[in-house]
Amino acid sequence: AQSVSQHNHHVILSEAASLELGCNYSYGGTVNLFWYVQYPGQHLQLLLKYFSGDPLVKGIKGFEAEFIKSKFSFNLRKPSVQWSDTAEYFCAVIGSGNNNDMRFGAGTRLTVKP
Amino acid sequence: DAGVTQSPTHLIKTRGQQVTLRCSPISGHKSVSWYQQVLGQGPQFIFQYYEKEERGRGNFPDRFSARQFPNYSSELNVNALLLGDSALYLCASSFGDLPPDTQYFGPGTRLTVL
Repeated sequence: AQSVSQHNHHVILSEAASLELGCNYSYGGTVNLFWYVQYPGQHLQLLLKYFSGDPLVKGIKGFEAEFIKSKFSFNLRKPSVQWSDTAEYFCAVIGSGNNNDMRFGAGTRLTVKP
Repeated sequence: DAGVTQSPTHLIKTRGQQVTLRCSPISGHKSVSWYQQVLGQGPQFIFQYYEKEERGRGNFPDRFSARQFPNYSSELNVNALLLGDSALYLCASSFGDLPPDTQYFGPGTRLTVL
């Protein structure tokens, strides 16, 4: 069955530090991958997505993610975080042809200290 | 442009009662999916509806049901509420019924079962 693992439950960084959040998925076929962000008091928003093509995808607010098929990974990165990046980050996967049953990881809470 | 809207925002029910949650998708979107997000976890897929037909169902009991109307809005019904049904219920809309497609989430309905 499809599953998504996010390695870090809570990450604490200082402003300007670099960020990498791990995401691994378990699915044998073609996948579509997403990172969503949930800022405090707000709803889930799409950060970036990968459907096909260049495995390095760029999203909003300076975030990027790299799809490494051999490692079943889709890690999220940002070279320099800001206090406003404090939020919960969710990795999600949908298998192609699998209706819209999106599987989410448990989320990583990011706290950025000013 | 209006995003996905959900009502009500909050709801308090007692065990055994029934609840109906409502969702209006983004204009032009024909697919609505429902998710349950328990505190500290990622969203879990409950249902997908496309063109008023059920296209997918997650691992939830028959107490959970949904429907989609001709204007593509949707309702989620939960009967015989249990304490464990307390969660944030999210609605997501997308244009089509199959990936690759992007789901856009509403703010959710916070259900508390006492």
